[in-house]
Amino acid sequence: GIQVEQSPPDLILQEGANSTLRCNFSDSVNNLQWFHQNPWGQLINLFYIPSGTKQNGRLSATTVATERYSLLYISSSQTTDSGVYFCAVVGRGGSNYKLTFGKGTLLTVNP
Amino acid sequence: SQTIHQWPATLVQPVGSPLSLECTVEGTSNPNLYWYRQAAGRGLQLLFYSVGIGQISSEVPQNLSASRPQDRQFILSSKKLLLSDSGFYLCAWSVQAGKANYGYTFGSGTRLTVV
Repeated sequence: GIQVEQSPPDLILQEGANSTLRCNFSDSVNNLQWFHQNPWGQLINLFYIPSGTKQNGRLSATTVATERYSLLYISSSQTTDSGVYFCAVVGRGGSNYKLTFGKGTLLTVNP
Repeated sequence: SQTIHQWPATLVQPVGSPLSLECTVEGTSNPNLYWYRQAAGRGLQLLFYSVGIGQISSEVPQNLSASRPQDRQFILSSKKLLLSDSGFYLCAWSVQAGKANYGYTFGSGTRLTVV
């Protein structure tokens, strides 16, 4: 099946700093999503972005499907941005339903 | 708008006891439904998915089963819980049109501890 690798696995920032999280995937995809898992465990959908660029406030994401990677940018980070960020994909081959997750990036933003 | 409800939020059950977790979706029809489990250490694993009433596919052989008695209801069950069933269980839904899948939305999860 499709493989999803995220980097870095852990990231510590001071409040106000910018960061870039990366997601590499091993095959063509029909779906790519970025999620933020909050301290209560809920997965919050940040972006549905199988290709192109999107922005939502201080967050933006870019997926270059032909090169099989996606980037999540966080600008002017805040302590509330802390948590685990997941990239997840649905590959074009095989099952069209299975959302495969990377192992996540644990972001800690210190005041 | 579409919403997904999952309960209970937390559950502590003894080894060998039965389990029933419920998930319902509102505001959409004929959704694809999913059960995921997150063990300690962050990884999320797909357990079951369903594309229609009574249609269940299992991704991983295990002590659990799933059922879809109604279009927008998905139930995760076990007859006898094991310690290894502890974890964070997440229900999700998506709508599929043709070969495009327009994103997944997750419920708030159930934290299960088997003692």
